[in-house]
Amino acid sequence: QQQVKQSPQSLIVQKGGISIINCAYENTAFDYFPWYQQFPGKGPALLIAIRPDVSEKKEGRFTISFNKSAKQFSLHIMDSQPGDSATYFCAGTSNQGGKLIFGQGTELSVKP
Amino acid sequence: NAGVTQTPKFRVLKTGQSMTLLCAQDMNHEYMYWYRQDPGMGLRLIHYSVGEGTTAKGEVPDGYNVSRLKKQNFLLGLESAAPSQTSVYFCASSYSGTGDLGEQFFGPGTRLTVL
Repeated sequence: QQQVKQSPQSLIVQKGGISIINCAYENTAFDYFPWYQQFPGKGPALLIAIRPDVSEKKEGRFTISFNKSAKQFSLHIMDSQPGDSATYFCAGTSNQGGKLIFGQGTELSVKP
Repeated sequence: NAGVTQTPKFRVLKTGQSMTLLCAQDMNHEYMYWYRQDPGMGLRLIHYSVGEGTTAKGEVPDGYNVSRLKKQNFLLGLESAAPSQTSVYFCASSYSGTGDLGEQFFGPGTRLTVL
């Protein structure tokens, strides 16, 4: 059972554009939603995270928007750069066991 | 600090062979995890541990066993490898299970091919 659905699977954006990745979750017990960034040949690393009591969180060019009623959240990358080219994973977790459930991943390519 | 390290980095097995993947962390984390990553499937949790001497099943535990005899090490075993276990395996660790202290730190991965 896939509890976190992520789209699109791949995304091509021009340098300076906005990259948007969407996720939807099913488990209403989830109380923490991190995004991980993975460069080729490397392990994922935490990028930014949000709790459901906040509708938006911004860190530099990266923003998470959260819609609790729709059980959806999204990552926006402003002024996208070629160095942002990576695979992005959304995830959800609850304090019931602490397991992260990942989305399928989005491969982002930012063209110069 | 080395963070999370994995051994080996690459391995090729024949069907039916066994092997053990080693994960080590030097951050004194309680929680450790094993994931497999396959194209289009994201990261799927195989087994995890919430402390020394404990293990629990994740989403895809069949065909794998784990042990956490020491806090800093988490071993993943394949008793009889199958081609379906061809994948990239990641180990991760965290201080807590969720929240800000639940940030998972990942190793560099092990690329396993089963022929």
